[in-house]
This record gives sequence, structure tokens and C-alpha cells, in this order.
Amino acid sequence: QQQVKQSPQSLIVQKGGIPIINCAYENTAFDYFPWYQQFPGKGPALLIAIRPDVSEKKEGRFTISFNKSAKQFSLHIMDSQPGDSATYFCAASIHSGYSTLTFGKGTMLLVSP
Amino acid sequence: NAGVMQNPRHLVRRRGQEARLRCSPMKGHSHVYWYRQLPEEGLKFMVYLQKENIIDESGMPKERFSAEFPKEGPSILRIQQVVRGDSAAYFCASSPLEGLGTEAFFGQGTRLTVV
Repeated sequence: QQQVKQSPQSLIVQKGGIPIINCAYENTAFDYFPWYQQFPGKGPALLIAIRPDVSEKKEGRFTISFNKSAKQFSLHIMDSQPGDSATYFCAASIHSGYSTLTFGKGTMLLVSP
Repeated sequence: NAGVMQNPRHLVRRRGQEARLRCSPMKGHSHVYWYRQLPEEGLKFMVYLQKENIIDESGMPKERFSAEFPKEGPSILRIQQVVRGDSAAYFCASSPLEGLGTEAFFGQGTRLTVV
């Protein structure tokens, strides 16, 4: 039973484009939604995270949009660069407990020069 | 301030051998989590430990897998009698005592190959 569904599986955009990655969750107890960036051969690194009391959060070129009623959240990367090429994972957890994260399956992003 | 340290980075074992994966959390962190990543899959939670205690092992296979986090030294994930299906990347994450539910920092992983 997959509790966090992520799409698309892969994505190719040109430099300067705005890739959008979507996630949907099932467990209404989730209240912490981070995005992780992973380069080949490396561990995941936290990119940006949101809690359900806000509908949008921006950090630099990265924006999370959150729709609580639809149980969906998405990552937008503004002015994407070739260096953003990586695999992106959405995740969810119950903030009031310990940080056991439930991950989506990942989106492999390629930003072409 | 070193991050989460995992070793070895790569481990090759023959079927039936034992694999031991080590994880040293970030300084000041007393919570350790192990995740497994299969090819083209997201990370799957395995076990959550605090010093000398297993808090949640709901993601751990019932047989052949065990984990510990002793009072001194790194956390160890042990896989006995490895099979080909155990081939994966195993990631350790840590978080601070006072940060329950907040950011977990990941190590670079141990890539286990069973031949």
C-alpha cells in the first residue's frame, strides 16, 4: 500500500523551464511534507519542507504548493539549471511523532542546457 | 561538524554471508533511522533506534535483519545469510533529541551487492 504517490516518474525540461513534480497522500494524519534532492551516489538532502497550515512556501528557486483538501502537494523549480538535474523525492510524516518518513518513488529530473 | 557517516560505502557479499553496515550519527544526535532504497524506488523505512533502544522496527523484515545502537559506538544494521534480493542502497539518517518530527539528515549510504 503506497501512502505517497509521486508523478511523473521522469521529467526533461530545458534550462530556464519550470519543472513541476506532484505528490498525493492518503494518510490525513501526515502533517510534515518535505522534499529531498538526491544526486547519483549520494544520500538524500532536504530541499524544502511545508506544514499544512500554509498553502505555499518559497525558498530561493524552489516552491512548494500545498492543497490540504485535495491531499496533494507539488514542487516547482523556477529558472531551472542543469545543476538541478537529480532525483527528487517527496515525503510525509507525522510531525508530532518521530521523523519516520514515507517517501514517494521519486522523479528523475533532467535539465538540458 | 561531520555529517552522518556510513561505512562501508560499497559492500559485496556472496549469498549466505553476513553484511554489517555501520552508521555514526551527527554529533549531538541520538535518534537513528535506517532506510532501504531498491533500484528506481523511493526509500522505505526499516527501523528507528535511540541509544540502546529499538523504538520502531515495523519496516524491518522479520528474519535475518537486526539493528542496534549501543551506548558507545555506531549503529549497526546486520543482515544474516544475505540473498540477492537484499542488494540495495541502505541509508542511515539521524535527528537531534530535541527535534522529534523535524529534519532528519541522511548519510551517503552503503550500497550492498549480493553475488
